[in-house]
Amino acid sequence: GEDVEQSLFLSVREGDSSVINCTYTDSSSTYLYWYKQEPGAGLQLLTYIFSNMDMKQDQRLTVLLNKKDKHLSLRIADTQTGDSAIYFCAEMTGGYNKLIFGAGTRLAVHP
Amino acid sequence: GAGVSQSPSNKVTEKGKDVELRCDPISGHTALYWYRQRLGQGLEFLIYFQGNSAPDKSGLPSDRFSAERTGESVSTLTIQRTQQEDSAVYLCASSQGVRRYEQYFGPGTRLTVT
Repeated sequence: GEDVEQSLFLSVREGDSSVINCTYTDSSSTYLYWYKQEPGAGLQLLTYIFSNMDMKQDQRLTVLLNKKDKHLSLRIADTQTGDSAIYFCAEMTGGYNKLIFGAGTRLAVHP
Repeated sequence: GAGVSQSPSNKVTEKGKDVELRCDPISGHTALYWYRQRLGQGLEFLIYFQGNSAPDKSGLPSDRFSAERTGESVSTLTIQRTQQEDSAVYLCASSQGVRRYEQYFGPGTRLTVT
């Protein structure tokens, strides 16, 4: 079946890099996503990667995809306090009708 | 342009009552999705609408849940005879036809069943 797993908590120092990891089970995933959720807010689409790519960079964000191991990661360079949030990994499988989400990783940035 | 909007932002209801949640998708977005997020958890897919096609209802947890959408506009999610386990944030998302892989979410409706 479809399942997405991610660690629940990550704490980093301001200015350091953060790496949030995710594993998924469905090898037919077409797109993989990272969403950000700040307290009391909806989900913000941060970035996504098509399954035939292995890396995507967007300013401070780098997404790495290891399709063989079904592993996705999000690296945030120069992490700031404004990056404190819950980050959700998600996969889209088959058609475009739904996303399968992980439980979210809470990123805490401390001075 | 305006994003996805949802109303109400908060709803408190008594167990056994019916509730209606509303979603206004981004203008021009043909696809609309409902998800549920229980406290401390990820999102669970509920239902998907695409244009005039039959909706994908595979995620609805019970027959107390139903949703409607008129054309490519507003959608309502109805929960009948609410139970305490229905307490959650209900999120709506929409996507554009040619870029259906980009789903944009509304702020959600927090439902509390007492």
